[in-house]
Amino acid sequence: QVQLVQSGAEVKKPGSSVKVSCKASAGTFSSYAISWVRQAPGQGLEWMGGIIPTLGTANYAQKFQGRVTITADKPTSTAYMELSSLRSEDTAVYYCARGNYDVLTDYSIGDFDYWGQGTLVTVSS
Amino acid sequence: QSALTQPASVSGSPGQSISISCTGTSSDVGGYDYVSWYQQHPGKAPKLMIFDVSHRPSGVSNRFSGSKSGNTASLTISGLQAEDEADYYCCSHTNPGHVVFGGGTKLTVL
Repeated sequence: QVQLVQSGAEVKKPGSSVKVSCKASAGTFSSYAISWVRQAPGQGLEWMGGIIPTLGTANYAQKFQGRVTITADKPTSTAYMELSSLRSEDTAVYYCARGNYDVLTDYSIGDFDYWGQGTLVTVSS
Repeated sequence: QSALTQPASVSGSPGQSISISCTGTSSDVGGYDYVSWYQQHPGKAPKLMIFDVSHRPSGVSNRFSGSKSGNTASLTISGLQAEDEADYYCCSHTNPGHVVFGGGTKLTVL
């Protein structure tokens, strides 16, 4: 049974950073990519970036370049998303999701078949 | 990267069929067969309904189908049921190596 279990809700001050974890059940990291997708209150889904844990290669949406870092720890099957310079507009539910990647380019292609439960990050002074 | 374009809302009566469109460009929807669709009920994580344009994951009802023509993909739900009422999002791989979602469509079952 594939499971992605995320860390708990966070409340942060503007200008600070947040790091959210996503622990995968055994075997989930093999041959898949892990992406991070966020959803602001009442808004749609937004892809932030992804990583191929077996390769350690990450790529990011242009909007978040320089502000987000996605990493993966293979021994613990845990992926992380760190977002810095937080502002109120970053208040959202953050999801990790397992997806496929193009083996020729090492890029995430979507096809997110398993999702974490979501982590609410609230940015407020 | 701009979001893919979806209608904000669609509606249908139980038993009817509806389609949701998802329009992109030759750099995303039109350029790759990597279009997926997600169903999201309030307060829940999204659920994969269609992947690679027209493939259904195991366990998803065959009332859900996907297709693509040019830069526009479509999700069709036949035999509408009350439990189909939810938000639906399309998603596509893009050039250069990213992923983009549509703005979402709220389906109301009348």
